[in-house]
Amino acid sequence: EIVMTQSPATLSVSPGDTATLSCRASQSVSSALAWYQQKPGQAPRLLIYGASTRATGIPARFSGSGSGADFTLTISSLQSEDFAVYYCQQYHDWPPWAFGQGTKVEIK
Amino acid sequence: QVQLVQSGAEVKKPGASVKVSCKASGYTFTAYFMHWVRQAPGQGLEWMGRVNPNSGATDFAQRFQGRVTMTTNTSIGTAYMELNTLTSDDTAVYYCAGVLWGSFDFWGQGTLITVSS
Repeated sequence: EIVMTQSPATLSVSPGDTATLSCRASQSVSSALAWYQQKPGQAPRLLIYGASTRATGIPARFSGSGSGADFTLTISSLQSEDFAVYYCQQYHDWPPWAFGQGTKVEIK
Repeated sequence: QVQLVQSGAEVKKPGASVKVSCKASGYTFTAYFMHWVRQAPGQGLEWMGRVNPNSGATDFAQRFQGRVTMTTNTSIGTAYMELNTLTSDDTAVYYCAGVLWGSFDFWGQGTLITVSS
């Protein structure tokens, strides 16, 4: 079973700055990696799939990179609406479909 | 537009069962697997299982095996998740989500299930 580990647990960033979130898989997941954003009281929203492809309607300031076991989500020029919790998820080897524990991006 | 609308919040007693519905619209219901994910208060996302609307075939996370049932009614475009023998640890928001190739492309709004005596 693949385990996903995200770091850091909390990231304090100033509006307009860049946030860099990490996700590591316990074994290679190739590019079968997705990122989600979740705001309080809302369902998660798909941001990135295939490690680097933005989902429909996702702004270009969100970018994903990596392959194998190490992945990064970069959020450039952070806007107020970007402060949220972000999850990674692998879909290379299933079941189960495994999520990371999340990274909270908060206002510095 | 694609939409998944879930049934409303429920309060259950320990030992009871709960059945959550998820009505789909805006896409071909049988084209996407329906997955269920839960989130305990202040916690992360936990995958529970999935159902193939075409065949009814299911896959479940090991910890829910024997305690969860997932079904669909293709005539009305609705998926169901039933969880039995509830304990306080099952208090969570339960989400349905449509999955085509592996990522969870769209989500329901969530259903809060509270288990309390």
